[in-house]
Amino acid sequence: GENVEQHPSTLSVQEGDSAVIKCTYSDSASNYFPWYKQELGKRPQLIIDIRSNVGEKKDQRIAVTLNKTAKHFSLHITETQPEDSAVYFCASKTPNFGNEKLTFGTGTRLTIIP
Amino acid sequence: EPEVTQTPSHQVTQMGQEVILRCVPISNHLYFYWYRQILGQKVEFLVSFYNNEISEKSEIFDDQFSVERPDGSNFTLKIRSTKLEDSAMYFCASSLRGLSSYEQYFGPGTRLTVT
Repeated sequence: GENVEQHPSTLSVQEGDSAVIKCTYSDSASNYFPWYKQELGKRPQLIIDIRSNVGEKKDQRIAVTLNKTAKHFSLHITETQPEDSAVYFCASKTPNFGNEKLTFGTGTRLTIIP
Repeated sequence: EPEVTQTPSHQVTQMGQEVILRCVPISNHLYFYWYRQILGQKVEFLVSFYNNEISEKSEIFDDQFSVERPDGSNFTLKIRSTKLEDSAMYFCASSLRGLSSYEQYFGPGTRLTVT
């Protein structure tokens, strides 16, 4: 089955600097890659996603890049703010009619230092 | 904006007891999921449900687990005889699969504590 690895496990960044989180996946058939932000005790919230037919997607301070050949994708947060502090999970989905399950990475705890 | 809801928010039960966790997915969604997250760990897939049947289940989802969509709006996860290691946060999620919509929306979770 699909395996997703994520690093780093923890990341501390000065407010205003950029943060980058990287994930690799194993199944070359995977076609959808969402990123979730999870604050303490809360639900995972989708912040951005990318499909396999696209190399990059941006939404204000957040961007995701996908390299299908290398089977890795990254989350980029620019101009970080204290409210960006959270655990971030990457995930992937392999096409399978009737089942859209997500395989999650192990998470990155991002701390923004004021 | 529509949201997935879950009840209860916290359930404490004794080992060996049955628990039912409830979810109300977003109304026009077609795919339903249960995930769990042990404290401090990643989110793990348990089961997916489509067209009134299980479409896939993980190794975690053994005979002690079952899911139902009894009335067209609720989606439940039952654990027949809870074990200590079932203690976790359980998230329900739903999605409207289509050519343009893969997004899965998560509920707020039920924290299950087995003592």
